[in-house]
Amino acid sequence: QVQLVESGGDVVKPGGSLRLSCAASGFTLSDYYMNWIRQAPGKGLEWVSYITGGGSTKYYADSVKGRFTISRDNAKNSLYLQMNSLTAEDTAVYYCARWELAAAGPSFDLWGRGTLVTVSS
Amino acid sequence: QSALTQPASVSGSPGQSITISCTGTSSDVGGYNYVSWYQQHLDKAPKLMIYDVSNRPSGVSNRFSGSKSGNTASLTISGLQAEDEADYYCCSYRSISPVVFGGGTKVTVL
Repeated sequence: QVQLVESGGDVVKPGGSLRLSCAASGFTLSDYYMNWIRQAPGKGLEWVSYITGGGSTKYYADSVKGRFTISRDNAKNSLYLQMNSLTAEDTAVYYCARWELAAAGPSFDLWGRGTLVTVSS
Repeated sequence: QSALTQPASVSGSPGQSITISCTGTSSDVGGYNYVSWYQQHLDKAPKLMIYDVSNRPSGVSNRFSGSKSGNTASLTISGLQAEDEADYYCCSYRSISPVVFGGGTKVTVL
């Protein structure tokens, strides 16, 4: 079954850290660029980061640059997001999403169900 | 990084056609044919409806179509159905940051 399953969301204090994971199944993870996209409660989608298939190239939104690190382990079929120096503005559901192979531009054809990160004292 | 501009809401009656706009700049929507559209039902993950301006993924109804003119992309839903009631987001490549989303549009079927 082709799917993505996120985990690791939790309640964390401001300034704290958290590591999210995304387990991929049913397809060859290394063939795809992978992304983290978040959605604050009641708000719209915000792209966070992406990583190329081999992991050599990574991009980040300005809002998380220097605080978040994306990584992947293709042998373990897994994607990760290390989040440091968290603030209340990072509170959101975090989705991992696959970049559609047939697309030239950013197009996300497979999404997980998301994992909730809450930053609160 | 400002989001792409979408109307907050659009509504229509069953069977009608509606169009959702997505306005950017020459650095994103206007500069590249890299616009995608997503449908999100309440408490669900988004679903890809259109990619690269006008391409439909396999399995997406042909009632959904995409286009672009200048700095504005559009998603048209024809033959509106109750199941189309959802939030819709556009997304584009942006030269200064690879990916930017629109603020979202709530579609209501009257």
